Amino acid sequence: DIQVTQSPSSLSASVGDRVTITCRTSQSINNFINWYQHKPGKAPKLLIHTASTLQSGVPSRFSGSGSGTDFTLTINTLQPDDFATYYCQQSFSNFGQGTKVEI
Amino acid sequence: EVQLMQSGAEVKKPGESVKISCKGSGYNFTKYWIGWVRQRPGKGLEWMGVIYPEDSDSRYRPSLEGQPTMSVDKSITTAYLHWTTLKAADTAMYYCARRLYDSSGSVSFDYWGQGTLVTVS
Repeated sequence: DIQVTQSPSSLSASVGDRVTITCRTSQSINNFINWYQHKPGKAPKLLIHTASTLQSGVPSRFSGSGSGTDFTLTINTLQPDDFATYYCQQSFSNFGQGTKVEI
Repeated sequence: EVQLMQSGAEVKKPGESVKISCKGSGYNFTKYWIGWVRQRPGKGLEWMGVIYPEDSDSRYRPSLEGQPTMSVDKSITTAYLHWTTLKAADTAMYYCARRLYDSSGSVSFDYWGQGTLVTVS
């Protein structure tokens, strides 16, 4: 079972900031990582799949990178709508622990 | 438009059974795996398993120990999650999601249901 470790668990940021969230897997998964945004009372939303491919309709301020075991989600110029919890997911199963992005 | 519509909230007692549903529409239901994701109160997302509606092939999270079980009814494009004996630890929001297969071999959950809250108390 591939373990996924996400950090940080939470962070405080301001509108306009650049935010970086990282995920590390217990073994190489090529580029098979996804990133989701989750807001309270809503369904999770797919942002990025296959490490760096932006899902249709997702703003370009979101980007993903990495391969092997280390991956990064970057949000450039944080907007008010971006305050949420973000999860990485090893494509075929486990999610990371989540990162809550707070004001 | 792709939609996954889940059944309503359930309140049950320990030891009771429950079956929640997820109806897919707007796409070829039998050709996409359906996944189930759990979120316990105050916790993160947890992958539970996936099922392929065409032939009911399924994969489960190893730690689930036999419950809940996934099933599908192709004739009404609906997937189910079923418990025979609920425990307090089953209290959670449960999401279904469509699994998208990428040409590179990667998969992701591209469409999600609105969630079904199961409370066991």
